[in-house]
Amino acid sequence: GQQLNQSPQSMFIQEGEDVSMNCTSSSIFNTWLWYKQDPGEGPVLLIALYKAGELTSNGRLTAQFGITRKDSFLNISASIPSDVGIYFCAGQLVSGTASKLTFGTGTRLQVTL
Amino acid sequence: DGGITQSPKYLFRKEGQNVTLSCEQNLNHDAMYWYRQDPGQGLRLIYYSQIVNDFQKGDIAEGYSVSREKKESFPLTVTSAQKNPTAFYLCASSVSGRPGNGQFFGPGTRLTVL
Repeated sequence: GQQLNQSPQSMFIQEGEDVSMNCTSSSIFNTWLWYKQDPGEGPVLLIALYKAGELTSNGRLTAQFGITRKDSFLNISASIPSDVGIYFCAGQLVSGTASKLTFGTGTRLQVTL
Repeated sequence: DGGITQSPKYLFRKEGQNVTLSCEQNLNHDAMYWYRQDPGQGLRLIYYSQIVNDFQKGDIAEGYSVSREKKESFPLTVTSAQKNPTAFYLCASSVSGRPGNGQFFGPGTRLTVL
């Protein structure tokens, strides 16, 4: 099965810095989702994007649904230590009544003081 | 509190034994999913179910089996035919017919086959 390309794979930043990551696909999606996963836990939904060009914020997080519907971007402003974790993008393509997700490979974020 | 529970958190089994992972949700979601996560990789879909008594294979269904006898429950059996079963297994659920709501995940079960 397809996995989306996410970059960067990992990043070390200092507290207070802004962070940007992106996700690209060879196929289009109806919806883009961004999840954060803490070690040993299940992913938690951060932001959902529903139409091309949409820009949505959730606190210090801002995500965009690319115009081509094949990519998405996530920005975190003024990072703090609890931002540490793995961030996954996911493209959603509705098939029947189930929402199948295709996940990215993840961006591991580490924040230093 | 509504949510998804998976048990146990850690599971150890000997090679050649079947093992069943539990997933229960009280969110009244119609659709449920099982994913496998390996180190450094994203989540890969094993099986999913849109409604009770119905389920579909995902991308990596070989060596796994599921059942959906109740709306709240979607157990996954890892059979001896699965060649590399050691992994982190995640269960999720979503509202059917509501595209774009995303999927909500349980805390996961880490399976180690010795």
